This record gives sequence, structure tokens and C-alpha cells, in this order.
Amino acid sequence: DAKTTQPNSMESNEEEPVHLPCNHSTISGTDYIHWYRQLPSQGPEYVIHGLTSNVNNRMASLAIAEDRKSSTLILHRATLRDAAVYYCILRDPGANNLFFGTGTRLTVIP
Amino acid sequence: DAGVTQSPTHLIKTRGQQVTLRCSPKSGHDTVSWYQQALGQGPQFIFQYYEEEERQRGNFPDRFSGHQFPNYSSELNVNALLLGDSALYLCASSWGRAGSGWETQYFGPGTRLLVL
Repeated sequence: DAKTTQPNSMESNEEEPVHLPCNHSTISGTDYIHWYRQLPSQGPEYVIHGLTSNVNNRMASLAIAEDRKSSTLILHRATLRDAAVYYCILRDPGANNLFFGTGTRLTVIP
Repeated sequence: DAGVTQSPTHLIKTRGQQVTLRCSPKSGHDTVSWYQQALGQGPQFIFQYYEEEERQRGNFPDRFSGHQFPNYSSELNVNALLLGDSALYLCASSWGRAGSGWETQYFGPGTRLLVL
């Protein structure tokens, strides 16, 4: 499984935008970039995914670098409910599993 | 529409015992994956079941086994429990078409197993 590198932790003020970075320099041309998050005492939940182009959904935006060696998950206005561990995952189309790293723990300050 | 459900929520066992954890997938899903999450770590893939067969397996010993039923629900069995098996066990469901790379997995709340 291709590796991703994320900061261990980040802090954000409530109502401010948050940019969560992920480096994946060994990404292959067919790997999808997925983001999941895990709220306290819950299972992970899907946030967003993309292949080459930037993506937006109701939860977040995903900005993918032109060379695809890095990506950024953007939460436009952080709320206290966004406090979670965020996982950046590369998904090989031939693989059926998700390979989680240790993720970034996001703390939202009121 | 019920999401992924798991039972029990918590379980305490002693070393050497056997345990069975259960999972019902989200409505319309036919694939079930199991993950183990140790404290402070990300989830680790154990195996995946599709069409009642194990389709892929992670790096876990044979003490970990599973089963999928015709209604797509699944069980995870762990034999000869070790202290190190204490963890949160997560079940995830998805729609079974293999290898698209983009399909999402929906996770249940997990079963927390403590081995004493």
C-alpha cells in the first residue's frame, strides 16, 4: 500500500477554515485519494475522495496538487463537531481494503 | 435506513477464550470488511467477505476467522485470545463490485474487546 504522511495534530479556531495536508509522493497513476474521519467513540466515516481534479461536497473540499504528490482537505468553517482524527488514504483500484495510517488529530478551539 | 450495526458493543474475555463478533451491513450492501483498531492507532484491515467467501486478508493469524451469511451479515471469530487482541473491532460494508478504487466503506460503531 502506498504511504501517506500527515501531521500528527492540528488546531483550529471555531468558524475558521482548516487546511489538513497530506503528502503521498509515491502515489501511482491509478490511486484514488480518500479522506475519512473518526469522531470520538465512533467508527470512521467517509469524507471525500478524488483522483486528479479538485472535488467539493457538502462536508469538505479536496485540493489535489497538479503532480498528485500531495493533497489538502479543506473544512471551510470548522465547528466543534469537526474535532476528529482525519485519515488520508490512497486507494489502489485493485485493493479491496483501506490502509489507514495514524492520521491527523484536529482540535477545534471554541 | 439503518446503517452498519455491530454487536455486542463491549465484551470482556480472558486469555485463551474464544469470541464471536457480529455485523449487519448497511441496506443494499453485500460486502463486509473487518478492521482491528488498537488504542491510539488507525484501523488495520483483517479481512473482507463477499458472496460468502473471504476475498482478501490482511496480516492476521489464522486465529482470526470469519463467516458471511446469505443475508450478507457477518461474524468475526477470534480463538485463543491474547492480551494483545484487546482493541476496537470495526465492521465496514460496501457494495461488492471489486476493485473500482472509488467505492466508499461505511463503518459501524465497533465492538470494544478487552482481554484480561
